[in-house]
Amino acid sequence: GQNIDQPTEMTATEGAIVQINCTYQTSGFNGLFWYQQHAGEAPTFLSYNVLDGLEEKGRFSSFLSRSKGYSYLLLKELQMKDSASYLCAGPSGAGSYQLTFGKGTKLSVIP
Amino acid sequence: GAGVSQSPRYKVAKRGQDVALRCDPISGHVSLFWYQQALGQGPEFLTYFQNEAQLDKSGLPSDRFFAERPEGSVSTLKIQRTQQEDSAVYLCASSLDIGSNQPQHFGDGTRLSIL
Repeated sequence: GQNIDQPTEMTATEGAIVQINCTYQTSGFNGLFWYQQHAGEAPTFLSYNVLDGLEEKGRFSSFLSRSKGYSYLLLKELQMKDSASYLCAGPSGAGSYQLTFGKGTKLSVIP
Repeated sequence: GAGVSQSPRYKVAKRGQDVALRCDPISGHVSLFWYQQALGQGPEFLTYFQNEAQLDKSGLPSDRFFAERPEGSVSTLKIQRTQQEDSAVYLCASSLDIGSNQPQHFGDGTRLSIL
């Protein structure tokens, strides 16, 4: 099965840049997802990486290194509304439809 | 609506009662997933449907948990003889197609509290 690790909490200042890291087991890998979840709400899809490198989507970018089993989510020009949990998720095994989620990183954006 | 809809939004039950949680996926979505999310944790996989077929139920914690999707659209997660450890948020997600590269679209969940 998959084992996903990410920091529990982070704090950053409005307008700044923050990087949220995620590590995972490389066996059976078939892409890595990032989701955003505000308290009491549904997780919402942010990005999907299957190839190495950085993918940019507006203020949010996601990076993947398959050989290192490492990904990060980069949030630029932080806004107060970015305060949320950020979940890293990967397949539970080769060809599996199951996603294994990390515990989530709770990001607090302060003025 | 355009998104995944779950009902009820909140459910309180006494220990030992049966509960049924409903999920309306996005219209036309082939794949449907149920997850359980404890406070401060990520969602944990329970079961997966492809149309009406339940292809994976390996995450169901016990035989008290049962899920169905008889017509390949709406799904129901049933928990029999509820216990306090069943208290959690139950999330439903759907994706358009088959494949582990498909983004899953989540509902807001049902928050279940067992007294």
